Amino acid sequence: NAGVTQTPKFQVLKTGQSMTLQCAQDMNHEYMSWYRQDPGMGLRLIHYSVGAGITDQGEVPNGYNVSRSTTEDFPLRLLSAAPSQTSVYFCASSYNGAGRANVLTFGAGSRLTVL
Amino acid sequence: AQKITQTQPGMFVQEKEAVTLDCTYDTSDPSYGLFWYKQPSSGEMIFLIYQGSYDQQNATEGRYSLNFQKARKSANLVISASQLGDSAMYFCAMREHQAGTALIFGKGTTLSVSS
Repeated sequence: NAGVTQTPKFQVLKTGQSMTLQCAQDMNHEYMSWYRQDPGMGLRLIHYSVGAGITDQGEVPNGYNVSRSTTEDFPLRLLSAAPSQTSVYFCASSYNGAGRANVLTFGAGSRLTVL
Repeated sequence: AQKITQTQPGMFVQEKEAVTLDCTYDTSDPSYGLFWYKQPSSGEMIFLIYQGSYDQQNATEGRYSLNFQKARKSANLVISASQLGDSAMYFCAMREHQAGTALIFGKGTTLSVSS
């Protein structure tokens, strides 16, 4: 099993460019989420989804778009990149029940630099 | 709204000693789950331990135990017999069990273990 696959691992963008971070999981998880990690800030939730066709905003959604057309995929779109979006991005997924079903499986992370 | 607080930016411990990493939370949902994750310098996120709000006993996983004090809304991680490989960032996280909620993280604590 591949688990959670994030691509690309590294990306450098210029201010104003757009791009999509891809996230795919093969565990039939209903819940998928995107976090960004910045020094001293922990992991902050950008967007999440509890099932195909359902998405919701997290703590820091501005400048990002998501969609969930299939159970497996949850891409994160940067509409017009800004230097403030320089960060490490993690995609994570889990089942949507209670208890240990909520343990997240993480992707390896994507390091994005916006110049 | 749910909230997680980790007040210790950094902790230092000697090998073979025990260490407690603090975590407090806030929620109005009586049903929720608490999680601890480890992030070594390589960057991957590793699940350590889970505690449910209705669990009668404190969770334990090998050298990790969770000191769950529900009335105080605290969920401290205790690592017994620290090892050099325990040096990492540690994150506390919580998810309410009501439908449609997300898992959120604290800002993390950096643990340094010395010989």
